[in-house]
Amino acid sequence: SQQGEEDPQALSIQEGENATMNCSYKTSINNLQWYRQNSGRGLVHLILIRSNEREKHSGRLRVTLDTSKKSSSLLITASRAADTASYFCATDGPGGFKTIFGAGTRLFVKA
Amino acid sequence: DSGVTQTPKHLITATGQRVTLRCSPRSGDLSVYWYQQSLDQGLQFLIQYYNGEERAKGNILERFSAQQFPDLHSELNLSSLELGDSALYFCASSVEGGKANEQFFGPGTRLTVL
Repeated sequence: SQQGEEDPQALSIQEGENATMNCSYKTSINNLQWYRQNSGRGLVHLILIRSNEREKHSGRLRVTLDTSKKSSSLLITASRAADTASYFCATDGPGGFKTIFGAGTRLFVKA
Repeated sequence: DSGVTQTPKHLITATGQRVTLRCSPRSGDLSVYWYQQSLDQGLQFLIQYYNGEERAKGNILERFSAQQFPDLHSELNLSSLELGDSALYFCASSVEGGKANEQFFGPGTRLTVL
């Protein structure tokens, strides 16, 4: 089974609203990353948060990490139609190597 | 443009055949990763190479093999192809080969097995 599991599977919002996606994982990690994928294209790295960090910001993105709950959230504020994509969390596997991706959240932002 | 190139873009072949997918990492990146993305399985890590040596292995089938060459480009070989091997295959690269860090993804190769 996958290390990271995103929730919800799909999310549909209006432009201007905030979008929150959650990721849960099973084993201890060194870091957690969020990636974005436009339909059928390669993934693009958004942000990396280390296990000793609790919150990180990048532009309209805010990521939190709760290692006690083994969960992370990605918040996109003031969403735009161009934010429509799939968002994946990725964690390092046992020993720190490998990168294990969740199944992703599909975000639809309606103009 | 991530700087990672993959060829070919599309590949259509028949069951039982063998194909080779090619990846050139970003300039300066020593690590190459291969992933398989299918509709029902999500993004699956296959294998990682660092500076020519295998660094980590994921859910890679025995029918699949990979290598990284001295010029750091990598090839993924898929043999005895089955219908279920139809998927998008991504290559990614990163500077380091140690613990998981930011990876830069190529545009992918779409493999269709008929």
